[in-house]
Amino acid sequence: AQKITQTQPGMFVQEKEAVTLDCTYDTSDPSYGLFWYKQPSSGEMIFLIYQGSYDQQNATEGRYSLNFQKARKSANLVISASQLGDSAMYFCAMREGLRGYQKVTFGTGTKLQVIP
Amino acid sequence: DGGITQSPKYLFRKEGQNVTLSCEQNLNHDAMYWYRQDPGQGLRLIYYSQIVNDFQKGDIAEGYSVSREKKESFPLTVTSAQKNPTAFYLCATSIRDTYEQYFGPGTRLTVT
Repeated sequence: AQKITQTQPGMFVQEKEAVTLDCTYDTSDPSYGLFWYKQPSSGEMIFLIYQGSYDQQNATEGRYSLNFQKARKSANLVISASQLGDSAMYFCAMREGLRGYQKVTFGTGTKLQVIP
Repeated sequence: DGGITQSPKYLFRKEGQNVTLSCEQNLNHDAMYWYRQDPGQGLRLIYYSQIVNDFQKGDIAEGYSVSREKKESFPLTVTSAQKNPTAFYLCATSIRDTYEQYFGPGTRLTVT
């Protein structure tokens, strides 16, 4: 079974509109964390936001927020007021475990294109 | 400036040759990682190292080798045993005991 599922291979959004990128996860570990990374066409991975499984509130970082629904095992990324520079691949990832090395598993990504 | 350097950005090799990809960091991070990315896929872990002189296999270590003789450096060798070496390779680091990984700019390897 896939640990991280991103069902949207590609998305379009109008500039200045909000967009939600979906991510569902699968783990039996009570301690885990969820990340979102952005990968522009240049290739480097840029960390956007992190949500821990025990965090009471949804994480926010500027225009990025993570809609964390633990019971549904979903961790959707919301980008508000989209900008042309937001066009990129977006990856959801999960780390499991509390101590020692914590492996990070990545989803297959969603390609977001912002339309002027 | 603190950061992660991967060189070169593009690398071309003939089939049957070993090739070494460089990863250097001056962030003073303990842990370093190598990932492989293929088109339309996420990142898959090749090797990781939590401290100097120690490293562990990831999910797809076959055909690859690494060394960690210095904290700052974690080179990856793609050997001739790797069946499909053409891919985008990303190096990452993290502060031990925290979760965020910082990525280098990547090396695109093409083997013909």
